[in-house]
Amino acid sequence: ELKVEQNPLFLSMQEGKNYTIYCNYSTTSDRLYWYRQDPGKSLESLFVLLSNGAVKQEGRLMASLDTKARLSTLHITAAVHDLSATYFCAVELGSSASKIIFGSGTRLSIRP
Amino acid sequence: SQTIHQWPATLVQPVGSPLSLECTVEGTSNPNLYWYRQAAGRGLQLLFYSVGIGQISSEVPQNLSASRPQDRQFILSSKKLLLSDSGFYLCAWDGQGRSGYTFGSGTRLTVV
Repeated sequence: ELKVEQNPLFLSMQEGKNYTIYCNYSTTSDRLYWYRQDPGKSLESLFVLLSNGAVKQEGRLMASLDTKARLSTLHITAAVHDLSATYFCAVELGSSASKIIFGSGTRLSIRP
Repeated sequence: SQTIHQWPATLVQPVGSPLSLECTVEGTSNPNLYWYRQAAGRGLQLLFYSVGIGQISSEVPQNLSASRPQDRQFILSSKKLLLSDSGFYLCAWDGQGRSGYTFGSGTRLTVV
């Protein structure tokens, strides 16, 4: 059974600081996704990581994937208040119908 | 372009009443479709997925059922709602592997 663990679950940080969210998963997978969810809203796709060593960046967010370590990171650089949200990683469990299993989410609060 | 529609946005239903949530996808054919549930402040739990008309896979035993009467239509149902069925229900399609999963806007169900 695929398990996806995120840490930390809650993160309060000051604007301008850097931090990293970690996502570990228990079985082999070559596809990992990061999503953002604002309160009361649906999920917005941030990154799709498709291979070992993949690195993607969008603004102050950068995601990476190490399939050998079964680890993905989401790094936040010089945080701003607008990045406050809950961030989920999700790992694809491939079969005849692929499906993704989500981590518990990291609730990020960025204060001035 | 592909879009995913989900309705209603909000629903308040009494215990024991039936439920029907609908999800439709436009701009693609033969999509893999998914229903997820998110309890308040929690992660996403995969409920059902479908790879084609009439093909439903259930991930967890529960009070809910799903049907796929048409290629781009996915329906979540219940004959008698329980209090524990309350949550945020999200429909998703897998983007056929190109761009990750896309989620509908969600239905917030409160069972009273």
